[in-house]
Amino acid sequence: EAGVTQSPRYAVLQEGQAVSFWCDPISGHDTLYWYQQPRDQGPQLLVYFRDEAVIDNSQLPSDRFSAVRPKGTNSTLKIQSAKQGDTATYLCASSRGQGYAEQFFGPGTRLTVL
Amino acid sequence: QQQVRQSPQSLTVWEGETAILNCSYEDSTFNYFPWYQQFPGEGPALLISIRSVSDKKEDGRFTIFFNKREKKLSLHITDSQPGDSATYFCAASAQGTGSKLSFGKGAKLTVSP
Repeated sequence: EAGVTQSPRYAVLQEGQAVSFWCDPISGHDTLYWYQQPRDQGPQLLVYFRDEAVIDNSQLPSDRFSAVRPKGTNSTLKIQSAKQGDTATYLCASSRGQGYAEQFFGPGTRLTVL
Repeated sequence: QQQVRQSPQSLTVWEGETAILNCSYEDSTFNYFPWYQQFPGEGPALLISIRSVSDKKEDGRFTIFFNKREKKLSLHITDSQPGDSATYFCAASAQGTGSKLSFGKGAKLTVSP
C-alpha cells in the first residue's frame, strides 16, 4: 500500500510570492490533515477534512492560507503572499475515520521564504 | 500557549540503556496520547499510544506510563539501539476531538554505540 505522497519536496520563495502544496492520501482514507512544522518544533494542525468537507480550519491563517479537497481525495494547500514566518515544513497526513484513528504522515514539503 | 510539554529537549544514552522521555499537559479533557517518532527528512510515524483509562501500555521495547492525577506521562525505551536515534513527539487529543492532535515540541534522542 502506497503511503501519503506530497509534492514538491522543497520550495524556496521570495516574500510576497504564492506557493501551492499537493497531497495524495492513502487510498481509502477519508480524513486528511495539513500540519505546519517549524524547525525544531512539533507539528501544528492547520486544517482537516472529512471527505471534501472542512471539519476544522480554526488554526488556518485565513487571510493568506487556503486548503481544498474538492473530490474527497487529493488536497491542495495554498499560501498567497508568503512571509518569512511561513518558513516551515508542511506535512499532510491521512486516516481512516477520525477520533483515535492512526494518522499516517507524508514526508512533507520544506518551504523557505527569503 | 503550549498545551503539551516535553522534557528533556534532548537526551543521549548508550546502546543498551533505557531512555526516558517525559511529557505533561494542562487540559484535563485530553484522553488520548500518541507518541510519534520522526527521522530527519521524514514525516512523523506513530510509535505507541495510550488512552487515559489505562496507566500503562507496552509494545516491545517501548512502554508508556501514564499518571492521570498528575497529568504526566513518560515513554520508556529499553535496550536502546542506535536505530532509535530520532525525535520523539508526545501528542494529545480530547474526547470528541480525537482527530485534533496537539503536539509537544519534541525530544531528540541520540543512542551512542
